[in-house]
Amino acid sequence: EDQVTQSPEALRLQEGESSSLNCSYTVSGLRGLFWYRQDPGKGPEFLFTLYSAGEEKEKERLKATLTKKESFLHITAPKPEDSATYLCAVQAAGNKLTFGGGTRVLVKP
Amino acid sequence: DTGVSQNPRHKITKRGQNVTFRCDPISEHNRLYWYRQTLGQGPEFLTYFQNEAQLEKSRLLSDRFSAERPKGSFSTLEIQRTEQGDSAMYLCASRGDSAYEQYFGPGTRLTVT
Repeated sequence: EDQVTQSPEALRLQEGESSSLNCSYTVSGLRGLFWYRQDPGKGPEFLFTLYSAGEEKEKERLKATLTKKESFLHITAPKPEDSATYLCAVQAAGNKLTFGGGTRVLVKP
Repeated sequence: DTGVSQNPRHKITKRGQNVTFRCDPISEHNRLYWYRQTLGQGPEFLTYFQNEAQLEKSRLLSDRFSAERPKGSFSTLEIQRTEQGDSAMYLCASRGDSAYEQYFGPGTRLTVT
């Protein structure tokens, strides 16, 4: 069965303090690894898709990387508006996404 | 805006009542998914449609839950005889054939009292 574990569960950062979020996964036949951002009371917002080990994607202050066992979401010089829950998900041979529990990020000014 | 829409956004119901939620996917997307999310957890898969065919259901989907997508466009999720454990955010997502990423709607928050 596909499994996704995210760490840490929560992260408190000062504005400008860079950090990384971890997503470890166990899956047979990875078709894609996805990062989403979720604000309180809203649906997940798509950020990145990574397909193969070594791939990297960037968007503003966010950069996602992928190895054969884990993915990292690096937040560079975060701002308060980057505060959110970041979700990692994998898709294997089926059609569904399997999500981790998320990392709640709070960036204080 | 042509994103995924869901109605209602919030629903409060008494235990034992039936509820129905609606999802309108992105218009060109033929694949539609339902997920359930409880506080502090990631979304959990419930069911998947390709066009009007329901192709996959989770073991989480008890016989009190039923989903339809009659014309391959919008979808409904019905919960019969609601229980307090059904309280959660119900999320709908859609995707097309050319990429794997799913796009989520704003969700319907269900509270069973």
